[in-house]
Amino acid sequence: DQQVKQNSPSLSVQEGRISILNCDYTNSMFDYFLWYKKYPAEGPTFLISISSIKDKNEDGRFTVFLNKSAKHLSLHIVPSQPGDSAVYFCAARNGYNFNKFYFGSGTKLNVKP
Amino acid sequence: EAQVTQNPRYLITVTGKKLTVTCSQNMNHEYMSWYRQDPGLGLRQIYYSMNVEVTDKGDVPEGYKVSRKEKRNFPLILESPSPNQTSLYFCASSPSPGGIQYFGAGTRLSVL
Repeated sequence: DQQVKQNSPSLSVQEGRISILNCDYTNSMFDYFLWYKKYPAEGPTFLISISSIKDKNEDGRFTVFLNKSAKHLSLHIVPSQPGDSAVYFCAARNGYNFNKFYFGSGTKLNVKP
Repeated sequence: EAQVTQNPRYLITVTGKKLTVTCSQNMNHEYMSWYRQDPGLGLRQIYYSMNVEVTDKGDVPEGYKVSRKEKRNFPLILESPSPNQTSLYFCASSPSPGGIQYFGAGTRLSVL
């Protein structure tokens, strides 16, 4: 059973508006969460991360929010740009074994000009 | 340029014919890992390596082998490929376990 879930396979947003991508997890031992962005025919690239001791982390247009009680995190992109169109993967690290990571199935974001 | 290089990028093979997918990184990273990506399942970890000669199983290791004889190289070996190993494979590396990973461009494997 998947321990990290991204329930929205796709999302379409108008340029300049906010994009919100969601991710849920089941394992309370996860202690560090990351978002990766993937363009076609390329490998995932790191975007932003958050430790479980925080509830928010911001980097330019990207903000990640973590709600530990709900086991939920979200990635906000403001304002969205056409170049943000990609697949976004949520990932979580096992706090008991730093070598192990769990990824969601990805959300394909399309930002329309 | 810092990078993770996988070869080949595309491979079509037949059931039972042994194959190796190579992975090399030029960043002197300690940690390396292999993932497979399947529709609806995201990336699943196959094997990882914390350092030379130190490897361990991820979540889906069945049917795969790895070795880490040199720090920069981490090949993935399929000794007897089967159709259910048809997938997109990614190699990744990180300066240390638990950190941000740098991914290769992927290897698309089809086993007929």
